[in-house]
Amino acid sequence: QVHLVQSGPEVKQPGASVNVSCKASGYTFTTYGVSWVRQAPGQGLEWLGWISGSFGNTNYAQKVQDRITLTSDTSTTTAFMELRGLKSDDTAIYYCVRDRGYFDLWGQGTLISVSS
Amino acid sequence: QAVVTQEPSLTVSPGGTVTLTCASSTGAVTSGNYPNWFQQKPGQAPSALIYSTSKRHSWTPARFSGSLLGGKAALTLSSVQPEDEAEYYCLLYYGGGQVVFGGGTKLTVL
Repeated sequence: QVHLVQSGPEVKQPGASVNVSCKASGYTFTTYGVSWVRQAPGQGLEWLGWISGSFGNTNYAQKVQDRITLTSDTSTTTAFMELRGLKSDDTAIYYCVRDRGYFDLWGQGTLISVSS
Repeated sequence: QAVVTQEPSLTVSPGGTVTLTCASSTGAVTSGNYPNWFQQKPGQAPSALIYSTSKRHSWTPARFSGSLLGGKAALTLSSVQPEDEAEYYCLLYYGGGQVVFGGGTKLTVL
């Protein structure tokens, strides 16, 4: 079965950094990219960025491009998202999504809460 | 950055048909924007329904169909079921690898 399993919820203080992992299984990890999407409480979906499955090429949304880094480890078939300089409006559920040129498989989501 | 606009809310009767649309601030939506559609129910992760304008995933019921309509991407639900009540999001791809979601449409089946 094809799965994306994300790391658990975290609470962070303003200004801190957070790392979220996304473990892929059931398919050849290097064949497809991974996009990251977030959803603030009661709000819509926001695309944050994409990383390719093989060479680690990246693309970031303009809104977060100065604070986000996407990486991946092909040996463990895991994608990672680091978000720095956290602010209260970064509080959201963060999703990884398999990106085949279209989105199909979603992770279960990781709640990141930013609060002092 | 482009803004993608959807109807905030729509209501449909069980067994009826409803069309949701997805417009781009940059102009007409085309197949080159590779429209995707997603369904999200409360407390759940989104689920993919349609990609590349009109292609269904293997798990997408046949009553969901995608198209281009009047310069917009469209998602049509036929023979609507009570379980179709959900939030629906479209997504458009733009040049430079940018991806933008619409604000979502809350569909009520009543």
